[in-house]
Amino acid sequence: QVQLQESGPGLVKPSGTLSLTCTVSGGSISRSKWWSWVRQPPGKGLEWIGEVSLDGSTNHNPSLKSRVTVSLDTSRNEFSLKLTSVTAADTAVYYCSKGVGGGSSSDWFDPWGQGTLVTVSS
Amino acid sequence: DIVVTQSPPSLPVTPGEPASISCRSSQSLLHRNGDHYLDWYLQKPGQPPQLLIYLGSSRASGVPDRFSGSGSGTDFILKISRVEAEDVGVYYCMQSLQTPLTFGGGTRVEIK
Repeated sequence: QVQLQESGPGLVKPSGTLSLTCTVSGGSISRSKWWSWVRQPPGKGLEWIGEVSLDGSTNHNPSLKSRVTVSLDTSRNEFSLKLTSVTAADTAVYYCSKGVGGGSSSDWFDPWGQGTLVTVSS
Repeated sequence: DIVVTQSPPSLPVTPGEPASISCRSSQSLLHRNGDHYLDWYLQKPGQPPQLLIYLGSSRASGVPDRFSGSGSGTDFILKISRVEAEDVGVYYCMQSLQTPLTFGGGTRVEIK
C-alpha cells in the first residue's frame, strides 16, 4: 500500500501562491492513473480541488476558476498543487490522495495523506 | 454540479445498536456500465478521511463487515449493523460520476 505525505509552507500571504508537494512512497506513482488534492477548511467539510493523471491530463473544480495547477513528476515520485491569488477563504487542511479508476477522472480516493494545514494571513 | 445531501447531520448512537446514514444526489449516479458512482468515507477525529465503501456497495480492503452500502439512482444508505466505539467520527459520501467530484456535508456520529 502506498503512503502519501504532503509538504509545503504552512503560511501564505494574501494574493500569494500556495504551493504543496505530495511525496508518494511504498510504490511507484506510475502504477496509478490519477493523483488528487482535497481540502478541508477548519471545522468544515471536504472540497475536491483537482487531479492530474499519468498522461498529464488534469481535472479541477471550476469553483476555483483558473487558480489551480496540478502537476506530476514521475522521476521524483511526487505530484504538486499550486493555487494562486489566495485569500483567507483558502485557509484549510490540504490532503493529497491516490485516485482509483482508469476513466476520465477518479472513481474513489484511497489512500489519503495525513494532511497539512495552510493558513493564508499577512 | 451534482449536489450531494446527507442526513442526518448528527447521529447519536448506542454501542451494539444499528445506525444508518442517508445520502441523496441531485441526479442519478448510475453509470452506463451499471455501477453507481457513490463512495463513503469516515474521518475519525484528528485523522484524514479513510475509504469505507466504493461504487455504492463494495467494501474497501480491511473495512469490517458491519459496514454496508446500498442504494440506487439518487438515494443511498450506509448502514452499521452494530456500532462500536471506534466508529465515531464524521461520515462523508462523495459522488464520482462526473467532475467536479462533490461531497456531502457530512454526518457526525457520536456515542450517546
